[in-house]
Formats: sequence, structure tokens, C-alpha cells
Amino acid sequence: EAQVTQNPRYLITVTGKKLTVTCSQNMNHEYMSWYRQDPGLGLRQIYYSMNVEVTDKGDVPEGYKVSRKEKRNFPLILESPSPNQTSLYFCASSLGTESYEQYFGPGTRLTVT
Amino acid sequence: SQELEQSPQSLIVQEGKNLTINCTSSKTLYGLYWYKQKYGEGLIFLMMLQKGGEEKSHEKITAKLDEKKQQSSLHITASQPSHAGIYLCGADPGSYGKLTFGQGTILTVHP
Repeated sequence: EAQVTQNPRYLITVTGKKLTVTCSQNMNHEYMSWYRQDPGLGLRQIYYSMNVEVTDKGDVPEGYKVSRKEKRNFPLILESPSPNQTSLYFCASSLGTESYEQYFGPGTRLTVT
Repeated sequence: SQELEQSPQSLIVQEGKNLTINCTSSKTLYGLYWYKQKYGEGLIFLMMLQKGGEEKSHEKITAKLDEKKQQSSLHITASQPSHAGIYLCGADPGSYGKLTFGQGTILTVHP
């Protein structure tokens, strides 16, 4: 089954404790992206990657890191999480060349206390 | 950067009623995507529009991109409780990789 998976689905952590949210897709998509969703602000792009070893900042990259060492994986890293990073995070992927029809993961709800 | 404004922000309708959600862009749209989201879940792709004047339908949902390619509308005919959720429009800005989404429209359908 074609899908985008994220782990964990729910995470409660404390300020400053490094964490990684994994994202994996099995569709051989070149394009992958991370978003955060907050009430009233909609979906905002954090980082995106057009292919292996090619990443770039989205609209809200501060406080986040990503890497794309393999085509299928695109982890999101929070080196020192802060409460303002409490949010619902989505990973997405698409073929990326002619269409940005994206397949979204189920989301990761992160709470930073 | 490109901005997308959706209206209304929320909508409550009685089952069976028709409704329209609008998405207005600050710049020309090279591709416009409509997604639906159940609360707290991932987004499901509905439709993509690329050409000015293009109109697409899926079951009781119709989306259109205006001729000037700066506004899109999503119309639901004879709404049902299963249509409830958050509808988001997303834009391909024509530049490499950066996608923008509207803030979403929350639709509630009362049986």
C-alpha cells in the first residue's frame, strides 16, 4: 500500500531535549516536505527536499533541521525544542517533477512543556 | 511570497444544502490543490487545477480555477455529514519546491 508513515504519532517532551520525528514513504517520490499546523495559521512549510541530499528552507525553518540521506526517509530534528514548537506536524511526499499532488502522513502531535 | 486567503473561515450548514468555499491568491497560480482534512488527521488530496477556467468534479464536489488564475472556488452540492472537515487550498507558486496553503475552512454539516 502506498503510504507516508510518521513516528511517533504523539510525543510529549520537555524543553531542550533533542528529538527526531521520522518520516518514510514507499512510493519512490523525489519530493518530500515537512509542515506544521497551528490553529488559525493553517499549514506552514518547514523544510522541503527535492531529492537525496537536496534540502531547502520553507517558510518557518527556525529551530528545525532535516536530512535526506535516502530517498525514502526525511527525518525532522528538533535540537532544542521549545514550547512554541508545540504543534501538529505533517510529512508529505510527491513525485515533484510536474505535480505537487502530495501524499500526507497521519501527523505527529508534539507537546513541549 | 505567495499568500492564500480562504473564505469563509468556518461554515455551518444543514444537510442537503449547497455551499461554496473560496481561495484567493496574492499572485498568479501555477497549480492549485484542494485537500480535505478530518480533525487531527492527515490531508487527503481532492483535486488539482492548473489551467485558467478549468473545472473538475469528484462526486458532489466541484472546483474551478478562474480565468486570471488568482482565485479558486470549491462547491459542494447537497452536502452530507461525511463532507464535514477542514478544506485547504494549496498553491504551486511556480518556483522550486515552496508550497503555500491557505488557513483552511472548517465545514460542519448538521444532519
